[in-house]
Amino acid sequence: DAKTTQPPSMDCAEGRAANLPCNHSTISGNEYVYWYRQIHSQGPQYIIHGLKNNETNEMASLIITEDRKSSTLILPHATLRDTAVYYCIVRAYSSNTGKLIFGQGTTLQVKP
Amino acid sequence: DTAVSQTPKYLVTQMGNDKSIKCEQNLGHDTMYWYKQDSKKFLKIMFSYNNKELIINETVPNRFSPKSPDKAHLNLHINSLELGDSAVYFCASSRGQGVNTEAFFGQGTRLTVV
Repeated sequence: DAKTTQPPSMDCAEGRAANLPCNHSTISGNEYVYWYRQIHSQGPQYIIHGLKNNETNEMASLIITEDRKSSTLILPHATLRDTAVYYCIVRAYSSNTGKLIFGQGTTLQVKP
Repeated sequence: DTAVSQTPKYLVTQMGNDKSIKCEQNLGHDTMYWYKQDSKKFLKIMFSYNNKELIINETVPNRFSPKSPDKAHLNLHINSLELGDSAVYFCASSRGQGVNTEAFFGQGTRLTVV
């Protein structure tokens, strides 16, 4: 699975959009981009995933660049409860083990 | 109704003891996992079971033995506990192992070995 690079930390004002970048320059054509988050003292929580098209669900939007070398997770109206560590993970389509490889993630601090 | 539940939430024990952590999921999923999060917050997979069969064993010491009595349960037994085993252990489940599946995690068990 390709490696990902994320900034270690970011701040965001409450009510504003939080844009979390992820670099995955070695991603191959059959690899998906996943985002999970871990709120303090809780288990990781799935947010969204995509292959090459932009994706949106009730939690967030995922924007993947045309060359697929990077992506951005957007939380449109961040709240204090969105303060968490956000993990960007790349998984191969052929992956049949369900295994998730977590990096260090980005600690997002949403401030009042 | 909790989807993936682990017990106990906290476990403090002495070196050399044997302990178990239980995990149950009520999502009807086929695949279950154990992950370990160390003091530096790195999350790493330990084991994965699919329909009660072991499919991933990430070079975990033999002292760790997962047991899956049925699809809904994956317990983790640890023998001869060592200080380095102190960590948060997360159980997770997914509906299969393919790329379009999301994993659901439990709340974690904080194990402290003294």
